[in-house]
Amino acid sequence: SQQGEEDPQALSIQEGENATMNCSYKTSINNLQWYRQNSGRGLVHLILIRSNEREKHSGRLRVTLDTSKKSSSLLITASRAADTASYFCATDPSDSWGKLQFGAGTQVVVTP
Amino acid sequence: DADVTQTPRNRITKTGKRIMLECSQTKGHDRMYWYRQDPGLGLRLIYYSFDVKDINKGEISDGYSVSRQAQAKFSLSLESAIPNQTALYFCATSETGTYLNEQFFGPGTRLTVL
Repeated sequence: SQQGEEDPQALSIQEGENATMNCSYKTSINNLQWYRQNSGRGLVHLILIRSNEREKHSGRLRVTLDTSKKSSSLLITASRAADTASYFCATDPSDSWGKLQFGAGTQVVVTP
Repeated sequence: DADVTQTPRNRITKTGKRIMLECSQTKGHDRMYWYRQDPGLGLRLIYYSFDVKDINKGEISDGYSVSRQAQAKFSLSLESAIPNQTALYFCATSETGTYLNEQFFGPGTRLTVL
């Protein structure tokens, strides 16, 4: 079963705009991670936020975590064509040691 | 050279054939994972190994087996391939830790079972 569910499933924006995607999960977690996947390639880790953190930044990425709502958001600011990819959230559940659980992903298309 | 490599990158096989997918890593990580990816379903964990002597089933282990030959090598086998095992397969590694750290993925193996 999938722990995380991303919303929206797909997002189309123009270069320079911000892209926001959300992730909801079901059980308590140790941390939540975001990954990027370019078409047909391996996933690349973007950022990890621990359960006791509320916000984290990395370059043009901003991640928030609300454990009371069991949700997270990923914001990509000033998007570029190179940001075109699928983005996945993954949770490290507190009650399922060793099993990182991925959502189905948000497909982002950034047009020049 | 890539830190996590997978062979083969593409494979087409027939129903009933035995297939082995191989994964090697130079990151020195103890933890290794096998996932499959199907369109619209994200990644699902097949097997994982936290060290050479530790093998654990994931959520979809039926029809698969694994072998951890060394810290750096983790192989996935399909004993008798069937068409619904057609998917993109990824190997990943991570550092040992109290919680699950970031995972490093290989480039994937695209498997087609006819």
